[in-house]
Amino acid sequence: AQKVTQAQTEISVVEKEDVTLDCVYETRDTTYYLFWYKQPPSGELVFLIRRNSFDEQNEISGRYSWNFQKSTSSFNFTITASQVVDSAVYFCALSEDNQGGKLIFGQGTELSVKP
Amino acid sequence: SAVISQKPSRDICQRGTSLTIQCQVDSQVTMMFWYRQQPGQSLTLIATANQGSEATYESGFVIDKFPISRPNLTFSTLTVSNLSPEDSSIYLCSVEVNQIVGGDTQYFGPGTRLTVL
Repeated sequence: AQKVTQAQTEISVVEKEDVTLDCVYETRDTTYYLFWYKQPPSGELVFLIRRNSFDEQNEISGRYSWNFQKSTSSFNFTITASQVVDSAVYFCALSEDNQGGKLIFGQGTELSVKP
Repeated sequence: SAVISQKPSRDICQRGTSLTIQCQVDSQVTMMFWYRQQPGQSLTLIATANQGSEATYESGFVIDKFPISRPNLTFSTLTVSNLSPEDSSIYLCSVEVNQIVGGDTQYFGPGTRLTVL
């Protein structure tokens, strides 16, 4: 069965610190897709990244970077030099091939960046 | 990506009534989804709504409680019927956008915050 685990419920850092949000997934499929979304206090879900199971290249986008490791079934998200505007709940999600696009979400990690 | 709007943005309803939530997208999409996010919780898929066919419901969600319409490729409605306080949640619609670069990705509307008294 598919499952996404975000063990960190809450993280609090001081501005400019680096922070890593962990995501571990379970799936029996060989073809699957992993996502990160950001949910600021306004409530809207903002898409950050999509990765397919055949692409283990790490990705960097500005202060954001993602580390995908199939060997440990992890897809971790690092924010470098965090800012107050990064404060939000971050969700990791999994979609399996041939499941009609259904997203399985982790429980979310609430990140608080203090000035 | 896609621009998605939802109406209403929030509502307070009485027990036993119903609320219909509208979802409008700025381009034609095949797949639309409805999710529920209970207070302090993660998102759970309610159903998938494809134009021209009946909605497909996830385990634990039934059509009588959450009827869905999908009259065309840019619009869908979700009705939450016979409301109880346990239905107080954020309801989000999403659409799947097929992108040449990046693959199929779901984009979400701003959500509808429902409070049931």
